[in-house]
Amino acid sequence: EAQVTQNPRYLITVTGKKLTVTCSQNMNHEYMSWYRQDPGLGLRQIYYSMNVEVTDKGDVPEGYKVSRKEKRNFPLILESPSPNQTSLYFCASRDSKAYNYGYTFGSGTRLTVV
Amino acid sequence: AQKVTQAQTEISVVEKEDVTLDCVYETRDTTYYLFWYKQPPSGELVFLIRRNSFDEQNEISGRYSWNFQKSTSSFNFTITASQVVDSAVYFCALSEYGNAGNMLTFGGGTRLMVKP
Repeated sequence: EAQVTQNPRYLITVTGKKLTVTCSQNMNHEYMSWYRQDPGLGLRQIYYSMNVEVTDKGDVPEGYKVSRKEKRNFPLILESPSPNQTSLYFCASRDSKAYNYGYTFGSGTRLTVV
Repeated sequence: AQKVTQAQTEISVVEKEDVTLDCVYETRDTTYYLFWYKQPPSGELVFLIRRNSFDEQNEISGRYSWNFQKSTSSFNFTITASQVVDSAVYFCALSEYGNAGNMLTFGGGTRLMVKP
């Protein structure tokens, strides 16, 4: 089944403790991206990657890091989480071909930083 | 810069009523894509429709219909004979063809509550 898999689904952590949210897709998509969802703000892009070893900042990159060493994986790293990073996070991927603009989202990771 | 506005933050209707969710977008690109997603209480994002900027035909899928009007930069979503299962947050989103990295710009969402 074609899908984007995020782990964990739920995470409660303490301020300053480094964490990684994993994202993996099995569709051979070139493009991957991370979003955070906050009430009233919709989803905002954190980082994106257009291919292996190619990443760039989205609208709200502060406090986050990413890497793209393999095509299928795009982990989101919070080096020193803070309470304002409490949010619902989504990973997404899509094919690069212009005629196929389908986006596939993971199931989301609800992060709470206390 | 691209922008999506969903002016209705919350809508409450009684079952079987029709309801329209508004979406207004801004873009400088001539080629772009518009989307609607549904987010039920379980939290996942469910894709509903994609429409490209060259196709202004309205679309109907069962009780759902979409009205795309480039003249007013709107892509409104109507649910006919609403049901309790339609209760969710609905997001409108835009993707510009010329801005490949910025995959999707979302509106703030509209929370729809359908009461029995």
